[in-house]
Amino acid sequence: LAKTTQPISMDSYEGQEVNITCSHNNIATNDYITWYQQFPSQGPRFIIQGYKTKVTNEVASLFIPADRKSSTLSLPRVSLSDTAVYYCLVGGPNNNNDMRFGAGTRLTVKP
Amino acid sequence: DAGVTQSPTHLIKTRGQQVTLRCSPKSGHDTVSWYQQALGQGPQFIFQYYEEEERQRGNFPDRFSGHQFPNYSSELNVNALLLGDSALYLCASSFLTGDTEAFFGQGTRLTVV
Repeated sequence: LAKTTQPISMDSYEGQEVNITCSHNNIATNDYITWYQQFPSQGPRFIIQGYKTKVTNEVASLFIPADRKSSTLSLPRVSLSDTAVYYCLVGGPNNNNDMRFGAGTRLTVKP
Repeated sequence: DAGVTQSPTHLIKTRGQQVTLRCSPKSGHDTVSWYQQALGQGPQFIFQYYEEEERQRGNFPDRFSGHQFPNYSSELNVNALLLGDSALYLCASSFLTGDTEAFFGQGTRLTVV
C-alpha cells in the first residue's frame, strides 16, 4: 500500500480557506485518494474521495494533479468546529481493505 | 438508521486480564474492521471480518482475536492484557464491494492498569 506524507500540524483562522497537501509518490494505478476527519475521542469520518483531477462535495474539494503523486484537500471558509485531525489515505475505492492511517494533520482553527 | 455502535464506551482492566469489545455495523453493511488508536497516533488496522471469517489481518499478535456473527455484528477479544494495549479501539463497517465509504463507531476507550 502506498505511503502518505502530510504536515504534522497547521493553524488557520475562521473564515479562511485551508489547503492540506498529501504526498503519495508510489501510488498505484488503481488506487484512490481518500480523506478522513477525526475529532477527539470519536471515530474518523469520511470527507471526500477522488481518483484524478478535482472532486467537490458540500464539505470540501480534492485536487489531484495529473501525476497523482500528491493531492490537496481544500476546506473553504473554515470555522472553529473544523479543528480536527485530517488523514490522507491511498487505497481501494471502497475501503474494503485495511486502511493505512498515518499520523494525520492536526488543524487548529483560531477565532 | 443507527450508524456503527460500539460497547462499552469506556473500560478499565487490569494487566493480564481478558477483554471483549463489541460492534454493531451500520445497517446492511457486511464487513467489519477493527482498529487500535494509541494517543496521538493514527488508527492501526487489526483485522477485518466478512462472512464470519477473518479476511485480513494487520501486524498484531495472536492475543488479539475476533469473531463475526450471522447478523454481521462483531467482537474483538484481547487476552493477557498489557499496559501497552491501552488505546481507543475503533470499529468500522462497510460493504465488501461497491463504491462506498467506511463508517466508524465512536470507539471503546480501554485503559489497562
